[in-house]
Amino acid sequence: QQQVKQSPQSLIVQKGGIPIINCAYENTAFDYFPWYQQFPGKGPALLIAIRPDVSEKKEGRFTISFNKSAKQFSLHIMDSQPGDSATYFCAASTRGEKLTFGTGTRLTIIP
Amino acid sequence: DAGVIQSPRHEVTEMGQEVTLRCKPISGHDYLFWYRQTMMRGLELLIYFNNNVPIDDSGMPEDRFSAKMPNASFSTLKIQPSEPRDSAVYFCASSLDRGFSDTQYFGPGTRLTVL
Repeated sequence: QQQVKQSPQSLIVQKGGIPIINCAYENTAFDYFPWYQQFPGKGPALLIAIRPDVSEKKEGRFTISFNKSAKQFSLHIMDSQPGDSATYFCAASTRGEKLTFGTGTRLTIIP
Repeated sequence: DAGVIQSPRHEVTEMGQEVTLRCKPISGHDYLFWYRQTMMRGLELLIYFNNNVPIDDSGMPEDRFSAKMPNASFSTLKIQPSEPRDSAVYFCASSLDRGFSDTQYFGPGTRLTVL
């Protein structure tokens, strides 16, 4: 019930393309869905987050799409750049409770 | 602000030895979290504190693991005795007063290798 399933495990996209990372959850009580970005040798850093009262949120080149009925949410990166190469984690929580992280997607943007 | 500070950055020890990892959260943050990251299990929450009080330690794998937060600016995670399966990257994170619904700021991590 507490799992967050993330796919794909790894992704290679050409510069300028739009990588899409997907996550699915079971617990309908989840009400906070952040995405974290992690570079090698660094800790994860919050990239963007969404709550289920909206279906989409954009911050710069990063967009979260949220489908409450399907219990899925995804991260899109517009005009991807080599500097976006990192591992991306989705997560979910119920307000005041612990974050459950997905297993991560290693993204490589090739020039 | 310097962000969350962790030490040491790397630790290599032998099985059976005691290991102590240290964390200094961002000043003013009320919540402190300890995570473990491995290839097999991903990012796991071990324990978290609110205002220096442990709130949930259900993620601590065994009694060999213990964590303390003696004051608002310092926390330790101790493993005694250490085992090779404890090898992982351990992260400390902190956040403001809304706990898990607020941004968690992660430290750079401590890479632990137990031989």
